[in-house]
Amino acid sequence: GAVVSQHPSRVICKSGTSVKIECRSLDFQATTMFWYRQFPKQSLMLMATSNEGSKATYEQGVEKDKFLINHASLTLSTLTVTSAHPEDSSFYICSAEQATNEKLFFGSGTQLSVL
Amino acid sequence: QKEVEQNSGPLSVPEGAIASLNCTYSDRGSQSFFWYRQYSGKSPELIMFIYSNGDKEDGRFTAQLNKASQYVSLLIRDSQPSDSATYLCAVRFTGGGNKLTFGTGTQLKVEL
Repeated sequence: GAVVSQHPSRVICKSGTSVKIECRSLDFQATTMFWYRQFPKQSLMLMATSNEGSKATYEQGVEKDKFLINHASLTLSTLTVTSAHPEDSSFYICSAEQATNEKLFFGSGTQLSVL
Repeated sequence: QKEVEQNSGPLSVPEGAIASLNCTYSDRGSQSFFWYRQYSGKSPELIMFIYSNGDKEDGRFTAQLNKASQYVSLLIRDSQPSDSATYLCAVRFTGGGNKLTFGTGTQLKVEL
């Protein structure tokens, strides 16, 4: 399958700092990328849909000013958690859609821990 | 609200047995269905996708889709301990663009 690279895999930060997570599609172009958040023993919750060259579409209840998404190229999307707080601690996963077959491939995830 | 329902389990099966995982969805017009496997602490991995009614086989995995009854299932033959994971059902709902909605997942335990 297609490869999606996500970095960093783990982040521990102090409350109030900002954290940037990168998601790259390595062997295909992804016009659309998705950002999910997963709390322990829960399913993936879609946060936003990121389209190359345009503003992200956020799901209801997700603060766009707190979770900044940039999709600058066909292979890179970034999620910045601004002024992180302990309740933002979660597993963040990006995914990219392979346009040729509509399959969704996931990055390896980022475990964010805010102290 | 469009939903995807799964039994959270855990579903325990002995090694070598067939594991059957089920999923129901709320939107009758949905067209695309996916099964992902997720190990603890890892991101989901695509196992199967199915678009048409009936069965689709890939190695030890068979996906079954019944659009009239709005359910999709995953069968794992000759279950191995390495199959122990959480299996997520995902549906692309009509009118939802290319978003996937995930169920809560079923935890599978394959016991020696």
